[in-house]
Amino acid sequence: AQSVSQHNHHVILSEAASLELGCNYSYGGTVNLFWYVQYPGQHLQLLLKYFSGDPLVKGIKGFEAEFIKSKFSFNLRKPSVQWSDTAEYFCAVIPTGRRALTFGSGTRLQVQP
Amino acid sequence: GAGVSQSPSNKVTEKGKDVELRCDPISGHTALYWYRQRLGQGLEFLIYFQGNSAPDKSGLPSDRFSAERTGESVSTLTIQRTQQEDSAVYLCASSRSSGSINNEQFFGPGTRLTVL
Repeated sequence: AQSVSQHNHHVILSEAASLELGCNYSYGGTVNLFWYVQYPGQHLQLLLKYFSGDPLVKGIKGFEAEFIKSKFSFNLRKPSVQWSDTAEYFCAVIPTGRRALTFGSGTRLQVQP
Repeated sequence: GAGVSQSPSNKVTEKGKDVELRCDPISGHTALYWYRQRLGQGLEFLIYFQGNSAPDKSGLPSDRFSAERTGESVSTLTIQRTQQEDSAVYLCASSRSSGSINNEQFFGPGTRLTVL
């Protein structure tokens, strides 16, 4: 079945550590890619998105993601995490011809001060 | 302006009862989406409305689930004869339109449904 996979379910880091969260999708055609974040007690919000062009996209709060088409991946990165980055992160895809997002199961990031 | 709002924020019901969940999209947003998130899982698409077009119901898990939207305003999601597996957080999102994929979906706070 077509899907989005996030292999890290729970990540614990110390402040200033580097972050990389994996996301792989299994759709064969053109896709649009997203990372959403949900801070504790807050709504889900968009972190960054990729539609076309430069495969390295930059989002809010110093996050970036790289689309590697050959690997069907869209990994999220941040060079130095902060305690305030503690949240749940969701990778999502919109395959060509669809309008709704297909989400991965999420990664809970805990940053220790 | 205000974001997407949903009510109630929490709903506890008994198995077999019907429930109705409400979503108020951002004013001017023509596209509206319902998703649900079961514990430990990602969000699953349920249904999508775009203006006056026929809704995309392809994500509804059974005929116990239905949703309505009047024009470009409020939407209600109804679950009939609730089952314990319906327990989840139900999220609503809206976007300016779906004509362009570039339109960001804005999410509401969700309704946490617990079926006893």
